[in-house]
Amino acid sequence: DTGVSQDPRHKITKRGQNVTFRCDPISEHNRLYWYRQTLGQGPEFLTYFQNEAQLEKSRLLSDRFSAERPKGSFSTLEIQRTEQGDSAMYLCASSLVGSSSHEQYFGPGTRLTVT
Amino acid sequence: AQTVTQSQPEMSVQEAETVTLSCTYDTSESNYYLFWYKQPPSRQMILVIRQEAYKQQNATENRFSVNFQKAAKSFSLKISDSQLGDTAMYFCAFMKQSGAGKSTFGDGTTLTVKP
Repeated sequence: DTGVSQDPRHKITKRGQNVTFRCDPISEHNRLYWYRQTLGQGPEFLTYFQNEAQLEKSRLLSDRFSAERPKGSFSTLEIQRTEQGDSAMYLCASSLVGSSSHEQYFGPGTRLTVT
Repeated sequence: AQTVTQSQPEMSVQEAETVTLSCTYDTSESNYYLFWYKQPPSRQMILVIRQEAYKQQNATENRFSVNFQKAAKSFSLKISDSQLGDTAMYFCAFMKQSGAGKSTFGDGTTLTVKP
């Protein structure tokens, strides 16, 4: 069990560019979540997958955002035509359906800076 | 919709002393879970303690304990014998029992333990 990993850890991009982040959950976890955390605030839910199915998306997730989990393992989050307001920490978490602890295990995050 | 409020943006405590972090929440749900997560500087978020709403007994984990007041919708975290390694941002989080695991977070309390 190597924990949840995210890549890259930091990304600086110019406004208007597209970026893609990757999340590798704990291997046996079937749920995967994306959150966004801006400075001084708590994480805000963006979307989640159960296996490969995307079951819920927040209204925060505009049309410029898309997430996939093609084989029910790793997930990608793509932001098209980035805006300065997209600058934030993007957190990935995973969990196991039926776990008695209901704990979500978080990755280290990808910090996005849009210039 | 659920909301979580942490009214103390910053707190400090002397090493070895006790500190209490406050959290209130608003929900119409009857069955839910509450969590405290710790996010050390530049490190990933980890679970500190959790509480099931149906349990009257307050959860404890070593030096960490909670005071759960369901009627008042209050969920405070007490850290005893504070250690330098407790310095971190602490987030209170709410999860509906029926909510597929997504969590609603407060905006956090930055705790500094002073030597």
